[in-house]
Amino acid sequence: AQSVTQLGSHVSVSEGALVLLRCNYSSSVPPYLFWYVQYPNQGLQLLLKYTSAATLVKGINGFEAEFKKSETSFHLTKPSAHMSDAAEYFCAVSENSGYALNFGKGTSLLVTP
Amino acid sequence: DTAVSQTPKYLVTQMGNDKSIKCEQNLGHDTMYWYKQDSKKFLKIMFSYNNKELIINETVPNRFSPKSPDKAHLNLHINSLELGDSAVYFCASTLQGSNEQFFGPGTRLTVL
Repeated sequence: AQSVTQLGSHVSVSEGALVLLRCNYSSSVPPYLFWYVQYPNQGLQLLLKYTSAATLVKGINGFEAEFKKSETSFHLTKPSAHMSDAAEYFCAVSENSGYALNFGKGTSLLVTP
Repeated sequence: DTAVSQTPKYLVTQMGNDKSIKCEQNLGHDTMYWYKQDSKKFLKIMFSYNNKELIINETVPNRFSPKSPDKAHLNLHINSLELGDSAVYFCASTLQGSNEQFFGPGTRLTVL
């Protein structure tokens, strides 16, 4: 079964600093990987997805993630944090398109002035 | 023009009651899901459903049952509510063969 592990339940960065949220996956088949963002009291919004095309994936709001098979990782980055980036971030994996998502436990991003 | 909608947004009820949460999508999708987010914000799949197949997460108690009157709707019915059912429930949908699931805004269920 596919699973993801998010390292760090809380990450704090200064405004303008690099954002790095870590995600490692476990999968017996080539995975589909996703990053979702959840703002307080809202639903989930897709940031980006990896579906076996380019290993460097660009998403919305300036985020990107790189699929590294050798490291079984799919870390999320953003060069410069904004206050509006403060939210909960979830890494997720699915076995195939249309299959249910298996989520990590989430990382809460705090951005300080 | 909400893509995936859920009603109600908040639901407060007593233990032992039976309740339903409704989900509708206007995206023309053929596959829908219910996820549960617990108090620690952990999201877990409960059901996957399309016209052909219902896939149930084996950890979901049989007090929970999905009901789909048509392709655009997947409602969640819960019998004999328990304190541990308190959570936020998210509906999602996708088109078979697509890689993106669209999520509803969630329903916060509180069982007293």
